[in-house]
Amino acid sequence: QKEVEQNSGPLSVPEGAIASLNCTYSDRGSQSFFWYRQYSGKSPELIMSIYSNGDKEDGRFTAQLNKASQYVSLLIRDSQPSDSATYLCAVEPGGYQKVTFGIGTKLQVIP
Amino acid sequence: GAVVSQHPSRVICKSGTSVKIECRSLDFQATTMFWYRQFPKKSLMLMATSNEGSKATYEQGVEKDKFLINHASLTLSTLTVTSAHPEDSSFYICSARYHRGEGGYTFGSGTRLTVV
Repeated sequence: QKEVEQNSGPLSVPEGAIASLNCTYSDRGSQSFFWYRQYSGKSPELIMSIYSNGDKEDGRFTAQLNKASQYVSLLIRDSQPSDSATYLCAVEPGGYQKVTFGIGTKLQVIP
Repeated sequence: GAVVSQHPSRVICKSGTSVKIECRSLDFQATTMFWYRQFPKKSLMLMATSNEGSKATYEQGVEKDKFLINHASLTLSTLTVTSAHPEDSSFYICSARYHRGEGGYTFGSGTRLTVV
């Protein structure tokens, strides 16, 4: 069974700090990886997608992928209270196969 | 781009009645849509995969006769909760895969269903 593991948290960081969110996956053949942010009572919104090993940066967000270790992470620099949400890791095997979501990590940024 | 419009956003219905939820892809064609439900403080649970022009594929434990899915066109998928009961109260969200730009899955805004 394909699994995506995340620590449910909550992860608390002070405002301005770096928040580090981690995710591991079991399907070694996975090809596409996504990070979503979900505010309470709202639907998920895409933050980052990453497809190859290494880092990918977009503003304050950096996604990191290590396929050998089956590990993907999301770094949020200069964390803001508005970043407080649940962050979902999603892994897609490739092609049109359905994606698997992790349980999500709740992030709390303390002012 | 890659917007999925979901309606209604909130619905309250009486036990025993049916409720239809619509999802439309506004600026791309979605041959496949995914339907999820989410209970408070829980993760997304995939209910079924909706395929345009063919029968939906349901996940284990999801009653296909209770959750009717229709995907009649490349831009519209519907989920009908039949004979709703209070335990069906949940947050229902649709999603579609798009391949332009960075790609990814875009979600509808969700439907909060309350069965009284």
